[in-house]
Amino acid sequence: GAVVSQHPSRVICKSGTSVKIECRSLDFQATTMFWYRQFPKQSLMLMATSNEGSKATYEQGVEKDKFLINHASLTLSTLTVTSAHPEDSSFYICSFSDGTDTQYFGPGTRLTVL
Amino acid sequence: QKEVEQNSGPLSVPEGAIASLNCTYSDRGSQSFFWYRQYSGKSPELIMSIYSNGDKEDGRFTAQLNKASQYVSLLIRDSQPSDSATYLCAVKGGGSNYKLTFGKGTLLTVNP
Repeated sequence: GAVVSQHPSRVICKSGTSVKIECRSLDFQATTMFWYRQFPKQSLMLMATSNEGSKATYEQGVEKDKFLINHASLTLSTLTVTSAHPEDSSFYICSFSDGTDTQYFGPGTRLTVL
Repeated sequence: QKEVEQNSGPLSVPEGAIASLNCTYSDRGSQSFFWYRQYSGKSPELIMSIYSNGDKEDGRFTAQLNKASQYVSLLIRDSQPSDSATYLCAVKGGGSNYKLTFGKGTLLTVNP
């Protein structure tokens, strides 16, 4: 299957700071990618969908000004959590679609906001 | 609201037994169905995909789909302790936006 990398794997930050998470597809070009959030003992919740070169589409209840997504190229997408607060602490996971229904997930980023 | 429901578990089976995981979905227009395995602290990894009614086998795993009943299941034969994980059912609705809706997952424990 396709390889997706995510960086950093773990980050701890102070409340009010911004955190950028990078997601790269290493062996294919992805036109569509997804950002998910997973709280402990809960399932994956889709935050937004983005297509290369266009604005992201956010799910209901997800603040687009707080979670900035940049899908700069077919192999790179970034999620910036702006002015992070403790309630933003979660496991953030990206995934790429290779143009089929299959999604390939990155290894995830554990964000802890103090 | 598209929903995907899984048996809540946790499910505990002895090593070598068959583990049966179930999932129902609300969107009758759903086209594609997936089972992901997620180890604690890790991201999901794809186990099986199924698109047509019936069974699909891959090694020790068999996915079963019944669109009329809006039901999809995963059977794990000869369960191993390494199969202990949370299993997520994911459904893609009709259309071409590739969005998946995930169930809450079923925690499976295989006891040696």
